[in-house]
Amino acid sequence: DSGVTQTPKHLITATGQRVTLRCSPRSGDLSVYWYQQSLDQGLQFLIQYYNGEERAKGNILERFSAQQFPDLHSELNLSSLELGDSALYFCASSAGPEQGGGNTIYFGEGSWLTVV
Amino acid sequence: LAKTTQPISMDSYEGQEVNITCSHNNIATNDYITWYQQFPSQGPRFIIQGYKTKVTNEVASLFIPADRKSSTLSLPRVSLSDTAVYYCLVGVNSGYSTLTFGKGTMLLVSP
Repeated sequence: DSGVTQTPKHLITATGQRVTLRCSPRSGDLSVYWYQQSLDQGLQFLIQYYNGEERAKGNILERFSAQQFPDLHSELNLSSLELGDSALYFCASSAGPEQGGGNTIYFGEGSWLTVV
Repeated sequence: LAKTTQPISMDSYEGQEVNITCSHNNIATNDYITWYQQFPSQGPRFIIQGYKTKVTNEVASLFIPADRKSSTLSLPRVSLSDTAVYYCLVGVNSGYSTLTFGKGTMLLVSP
């Protein structure tokens, strides 16, 4: 158990819909990351938040957005869903440098999204 | 970010030692080398991290030559449960950093 919790574990929705994926980082971790993994694309970095602020952006579509709340949990919002958005979405967390954290990031078990 | 190159796949048998080499020619002075393991439909799991020379833990060893342009993950006496994808990552040892995953190496362990 990595300590990173993601909900829901599985989600099936229709094209055009909107979903929200939720992540609770390890206790005390300030950095939260979102990754997308599909069969043909591998593990793709989407976005990173550090203590509530967006830190880095990767291959995140404009239809997708995320935020990190004061209690450090994070949500990834996916809208106008397309069939190609079907994937496993991972949240990960790590400690900040002032916490003595390195670049070891801990992943949750993922949220399976199927768009039909 | 330093780019990494590792074999797409490797095959082994139970009980053998497996060495997976990763090339990172453009590694920066502050970069650390980290390896992750991923089973199907699970999140990647941290295995080992190093900066130079050799690091060993209860799971694996990491060998890093003096020029740090490559690294080798060594898995002693693999078992069937070691079948997984192994990722080599290079990045700054900071909680600010973002790790970019490549394709990884698919290790298949057979009986």
